[in-house]
Amino acid sequence: GNSVTQMEGPVTLSEEAFLTINCTYTATGYPSLFWYVQYPGEGLQLLLKATKADDKGSNKGFEATYRKETTSFHLEKGSVQVSDSAVYFCALSEQNSGYALNFGKGTSLLVTP
Amino acid sequence: GAVVSQHPSRVICKSGTSVKIECRSLDFQATTMFWYRQFPKQSLMLMATSNEGSKATYEQGVEKDKFLINHASLTLSTLTVTSAHPEDSSFYICSAGPGLGGGLTQYFGPGTRLLVL
Repeated sequence: GNSVTQMEGPVTLSEEAFLTINCTYTATGYPSLFWYVQYPGEGLQLLLKATKADDKGSNKGFEATYRKETTSFHLEKGSVQVSDSAVYFCALSEQNSGYALNFGKGTSLLVTP
Repeated sequence: GAVVSQHPSRVICKSGTSVKIECRSLDFQATTMFWYRQFPKQSLMLMATSNEGSKATYEQGVEKDKFLINHASLTLSTLTVTSAHPEDSSFYICSAGPGLGGGLTQYFGPGTRLLVL
């Protein structure tokens, strides 16, 4: 079956530090990959996505590249801000599962001034 | 952008009662809506997938007679927790998709926190 594994947090960084949150997946077919973000007290928001191998998703300074050879979709940001503090979820979906999202456990990020 | 609302945002009920949670897509038509459950500090677990006008598809281990899902229109799906017990206390989140312009993106509601006493 499909699964998503992401690094466990919490991750604590100083403002302007470089961020990497690792995500790997297993899938039976050709999934689409997503990063969702959940800010404190809010619902999930789509951060970025990639639908095929070698695609790069980007938004708000965050980037992730769909690497089929390593089955990975690591999230990166060159310079984090305090406002980036949130929980980040890696997820995949496939057409043969009705596009339901399969989530990783989430990684909590805390950025300190 | 696409907006999904949930009502209520928080509900407290007595054990044995039923609770209905509504999920609405406000500015787009959602052919598919998903219901997830999130325990504290854990990930979202898919409970069921509902397509407008047809029966919901439940994930393994989710009791369909306990978690009744109705998707009567392209903008509304409801989840009813029947005969709720304390172990049903959780954060219930719906999502709707495809969103504006089609595609795979799901748009999430803000969630409903259920506490069963």
